[in-house]
Amino acid sequence: EADIYQTPRYLVIGTGKKITLECSQTMGHDKMYWYQQDPGMELHLIHYSYGVNSTEKGDLSSESTVSRIRTEHFPLTLESARPSHTSQYLCASSESGGGAEAFFGQGTRLTVV
Amino acid sequence: RKEVEQDPGPFNVPEGATVAFNCTYSNSASQSFFWYRQDCRKEPKLLMSVYSSGNEDGRFTAQLNRASQYISLLIRDSKLSDSATYLCVVNDQAGTALIFGKGTTLSVSS
Repeated sequence: EADIYQTPRYLVIGTGKKITLECSQTMGHDKMYWYQQDPGMELHLIHYSYGVNSTEKGDLSSESTVSRIRTEHFPLTLESARPSHTSQYLCASSESGGGAEAFFGQGTRLTVV
Repeated sequence: RKEVEQDPGPFNVPEGATVAFNCTYSNSASQSFFWYRQDCRKEPKLLMSVYSSGNEDGRFTAQLNRASQYISLLIRDSKLSDSATYLCVVNDQAGTALIFGKGTTLSVSS
């Protein structure tokens, strides 16, 4: 089993609320990623990080923001949730090598009502 | 053009069948290639990396054709437990993040 954890697993929240999705890994991986996936659809990269204090936007435009203050922690924040943010959010991490396997957390299913 | 393209399927096959999945990628500079498996409502998990010389893991064989920018996955003697979505994965333009295809759904029936 991969040592990468996401909380909460499920979240139902009202429009306009600020939310933070947590992701932590204990494998010492430098690279971390956030993907967004709608049911039956492909994964879209929304953010990634090479290491502490490094963050980049992915190929899918997202209103969320991320931070990487510690190696093991890569939280994603939505300042004002909207129904269009309803989706599954998957966090992953990998070693720095180009051919490294990415390990995924179990995901957070977000529903904004 | 999408970076990674796959036939979405679904592929419906009987137990014991051999099935092949194809994938094409757009970034000729890509260096890392993988097949991931995703079960319904679960997170993706690595099935196998894909090497230039091709590689085999039990019933699974992966091939890479760099000239055609094409990756394949062959599953022999399909089992019911092989039913899942198979994701073709390639590193991105900058070589720093992994880009996933939409996936090919396989359903194996008895």
